[in-house]
This record gives sequence, C-alpha cells and structure tokens, in this order.
Amino acid sequence: ETGVTQSPTHLIKTRGQQVTLRCSSQSGHNTVSWYQQALGQGPQFIFQYYREEENGRGNFPPRFSGLQFPNYSSELNVNALELDDSALYLCASRGDRGSYNEQFFGPGTRLTVL
Amino acid sequence: GENVEQHPSTLSVQEGDSAVIKCTYSDSASNYFPWYKQELGKRPQLIIDIRSNVGEKKDQRIAVTLNKTAKHFSLHITETQPEDSAVYFCAALTRDDKIIFGKGTRLHILP
Repeated sequence: ETGVTQSPTHLIKTRGQQVTLRCSSQSGHNTVSWYQQALGQGPQFIFQYYREEENGRGNFPPRFSGLQFPNYSSELNVNALELDDSALYLCASRGDRGSYNEQFFGPGTRLTVL
Repeated sequence: GENVEQHPSTLSVQEGDSAVIKCTYSDSASNYFPWYKQELGKRPQLIIDIRSNVGEKKDQRIAVTLNKTAKHFSLHITETQPEDSAVYFCAALTRDDKIIFGKGTRLHILP
C-alpha cells in the first residue's frame, strides 16, 4: 500500500451540513490533489495544492475548498452539502510540481448525503 | 477544457486472450500518461505509466503505447488472468500540472 492515508473511512451527513475530510500525504510529496469519484465513474479533479497554495481547480463550485499544511496533511471542506455530493473522495499525492513523479492515492472517504 | 476519452466502457475477454483499452487526450502539451487499476472497494493503483519521450513501455504482461501526433495512448494486457478483472483508468498530466482521468473501462476476464 501507499503512504497516503485518509480519514474518516465513511461518513454520513444530511443535506445542508458541512463536512471536513482529511488526508495525510506520502512524506516528501509537495503536491496533493483531491478527486470526487461517483459510483461507476472516473475520478473527477476537484483541486490541487502545492506547498500550501491552491494551484489548480476543476469544475467544482466554491463551496468545495481546501487547505494544505506544512506537515504533508491536507483537508477538503464541503459546505452546504447536496445529495449529489455523495461519492468516494480520494486524495492523491506526488512529488515536485512539473515533474513526472507518480501519483499515489489514499484509500478514500465514502461520503453519503441524505 | 482538457479532457481524456476512454474506450470501451466495458470489455469482456476470454482468459488467456489479450485486452486493449484506448484513450485520447485533448491537451497537446500533455507529457505524462499513467494507467490505474481499481478493484472493487479499493483505491486506484498505478500499474504503468509512459512519458512523452517514448512510444512504448512494457512491464511483464502489460504494455502501453503512445502516439503523440494522434494524441492516442493504449493499454495492452496479454495472457489475461482472472485477477486482471477490475476497472482500468487512463489519465494525462495537463500543461497546468493536473492529472485528469478517463471514465474507466470495466474489464471482465471470462473463464
């Protein structure tokens, strides 16, 4: 397995609530990306952080936000949860920006919004 | 925006036969193309990747080819085995340093 971990494993929330998901990147990896994977779909790019700054964003609304910390941990925050936010949320880490370093995924957090 | 198209969405092959999955990408500046395998309930696992300075790469029963002119790349699995059954994703590194994914191919290996 990779050195990328995520918590919690599963989470159930109700519509309108807020959620924070956490990721611990592999040591030495400065880039962390977050993806949303709906059932039967490929991972959809949410955003990416490099050395604690957001440096790329996919087609997701502002209620999806994030943080990256100096200790290789990061967070994904989702406000005003909607039913369609139910999905597997994956974080992935890799080495320096612009390099060809392989990207490794965490095990994911399965979010269910009721 | 950038995107990666993947075909087919489902593929069934007889055990021992070969499987081929094809992808196209839109960003001509993409220069790194990883492939991931995802088993049910598990995280995507990197199985092979190719950089734009080579046209082919092989690792045992798995090979990937890249045609930069046509913006195509493909995954080839030979002598398929039951444990190859999974969902496979192609991906591309875009000019703005994002790795974006295709929608996946569900591969069934038939006994």
